[in-house]
Amino acid sequence: DQQVKQNSPSLSVQEGRISILNCDYTNSMFDYFLWYKKYPAEGPTFLISISSIKDKNEDGRFTVFLNKSAKHLSLHIVPSQPGDSAVYFCAASGRSGGSNYKLTFGKGTLLTVNP
Amino acid sequence: DSGVTQTPKHLITATGQRVTLRCSPRSGDLSVYWYQQSLDQGLQFLIQYYNGEERAKGNILERFSAQQFPDLHSELNLSSLELGDSALYFCASSVGRATNEKLFFGSGTQLSVL
Repeated sequence: DQQVKQNSPSLSVQEGRISILNCDYTNSMFDYFLWYKKYPAEGPTFLISISSIKDKNEDGRFTVFLNKSAKHLSLHIVPSQPGDSAVYFCAASGRSGGSNYKLTFGKGTLLTVNP
Repeated sequence: DSGVTQTPKHLITATGQRVTLRCSPRSGDLSVYWYQQSLDQGLQFLIQYYNGEERAKGNILERFSAQQFPDLHSELNLSSLELGDSALYFCASSVGRATNEKLFFGSGTQLSVL
């Protein structure tokens, strides 16, 4: 049961344009959402997060939007740079039985930014 | 560099064998997490330890076990290996025990079961 879904396996954009990566979730108990970026031969690195009490969080070129009613979040990268080319994982956290929280990841979206 | 160290980087073994993956968390982090990434799969949560005790369990097979030692390093033991266990295994660490925290990942151990 895929509770966090990234339906686009890949995305290609031109340098300088906006990249929009999408993520959907099914578990209404999720209350914290994160994006991680992964380069080849490296582990994922934290990029940006958002709590369910907010609908937007911005950090430089990166903005995450959360639509709780649609159970949807998106990551916007503006402007996109070739160095942004990586796999982006959406992750969600929330109660999963008892008092334990579990971070659940999507399958990732490969972003390619073309010069 | 995330500060999380995983060894070995690559491991090639045969079906039926047993292997041990090792992880040293960032200095000061008390939680260690293990994740598995297979082809076409996202990062599947296996297990979390906090300060030596099991904190949360995910999709970890009974053939797999883990522990966290007093010095906070962790080992993931995989036994009776099958072809389908071939995957990239990541260790991550965080300061606290709640997983709604930023995790710091190691660069992974690539396991190939032949």
